[in-house]
Amino acid sequence: DGGITQSPKYLFRKEGQNVTLSCEQNLNHDAMYWYRQDPGQGLRLIYYSQIVNDFQKGDIAEGYSVSREKKESFPLTVTSAQKNPTAFYLCASSIGGYASYEQYFGPGTRLTVT
Amino acid sequence: GESVGLHLPTLSVQEGDNSIINCAYSNSASDYFIWYKQESGKGPQFIIDIRSNMDKRQGQRVTVLLNKTVKHLSLQIAATQPGDSAVYFCAENIEYSGGGADGLTFGKGTHLIIQP
Repeated sequence: DGGITQSPKYLFRKEGQNVTLSCEQNLNHDAMYWYRQDPGQGLRLIYYSQIVNDFQKGDIAEGYSVSREKKESFPLTVTSAQKNPTAFYLCASSIGGYASYEQYFGPGTRLTVT
Repeated sequence: GESVGLHLPTLSVQEGDNSIINCAYSNSASDYFIWYKQESGKGPQFIIDIRSNMDKRQGQRVTVLLNKTVKHLSLQIAATQPGDSAVYFCAENIEYSGGGADGLTFGKGTHLIIQP
């Protein structure tokens, strides 16, 4: 089955630690995205990548980092510099290119930092 | 579970009735619009999309209407069912923005509750 997987579903970390969230897709999509969702809020874009070895900052990139070494994978690292890291993190992918197409979302990772 | 529904606008409808969820988008340059459904603790699921060269598009039990003059988007769900209970988000994007497939801009969402 084609789709996007995120792991783990729940993640707990101590303040001051970096943590990496996994996102893998087997849809052969060029574009991948990371969003953050807080309670009662819409999704906010953290980073996106249109092609392997290239990525762009979104609206709230501070305190986060990404890599795109493979087409299938787009891991997100939440660094200790992120002031409010506790949130629901969603990864998505789309066909890519200049036209806009629907984004397919993974099941999300709920990160709790204490 | 996910507390996405807290503090969101809420629409409560009777099972079997039609629902209309509204969205005001912000960027007059946006030309691609999409509706997502998100159930508690899950990722958003695509419902329907529309490009700015259209003002109406229909899917199975759903219709999206686009009014570019007042920057308004609506999602109509016919004959609502208990499984339609979720948070619904609209999102916008500018096609051919020179940067390729950049991210969507999401609204805050509306919590749809289906009463039996």
